[in-house]
Amino acid sequence: DTEVTQTPKHLVMGMTNKKSLKCEQHMGHRAMYWYKQKAKKPPELMFVYSYEKLSINESVPSRFSPECPNSSLLNLHLHALQPEDSALYLCASSQHMTSGISSYEQYFGPGTRLTVT
Amino acid sequence: AQTVTQSQPEMSVQEAETVTLSCTYDTSESDYYLFWYKQPPSRQMILVIRQEAYKQQNATENRFSVNFQKAAKSFSLKISDSQLGDAAMYFCAYRSASGANSKLTFGKGITLSVRP
Repeated sequence: DTEVTQTPKHLVMGMTNKKSLKCEQHMGHRAMYWYKQKAKKPPELMFVYSYEKLSINESVPSRFSPECPNSSLLNLHLHALQPEDSALYLCASSQHMTSGISSYEQYFGPGTRLTVT
Repeated sequence: AQTVTQSQPEMSVQEAETVTLSCTYDTSESDYYLFWYKQPPSRQMILVIRQEAYKQQNATENRFSVNFQKAAKSFSLKISDSQLGDAAMYFCAYRSASGANSKLTFGKGITLSVRP
């Protein structure tokens, strides 16, 4: 099973709302990623979790707050977003190098289409 | 820092014909991975093919194959017998082999359309 699931598929929120995006994988991957993607552009890395610990934060504004409750789940908490934050938010996962398996592929979920009004 | 360049923003191919998508990259590293990802209009990013830099043999996956020229830092994707379902945005990506969480560096992408 090479599936990464994301919920919700679509989200519309006002600038004062608080919402969360959810990502789940059951491939035993120990690295998980959040990306932001604008239309017709490549994904931009936001955060990386390795063994449930935040290992990379690409200087993302604090209105985005990631959380990794366990090895299968990744959340992105949203608060006080701006209209320019409207985008497709992609979650991905990959094997961790120390697993002894040198598989470097990232598997992506279908994304959450976020619209901030 | 590594860079990935996809200089053609759009390409078109007739169904059943062959098309080649270009990608060049710049790195000072000797060990790395290269990928082609496909993102159809339904938006899910799917891995098409992977190439390890230490392997001289070009990777092949069914109708998809790469031409990996390490010295020239070129990594093109050839799609044979193009199908309507191949229409998508294609991203070339680089990842260092050092560091478990080393980032994927993406090119700007190319939009491929397939004419019936």
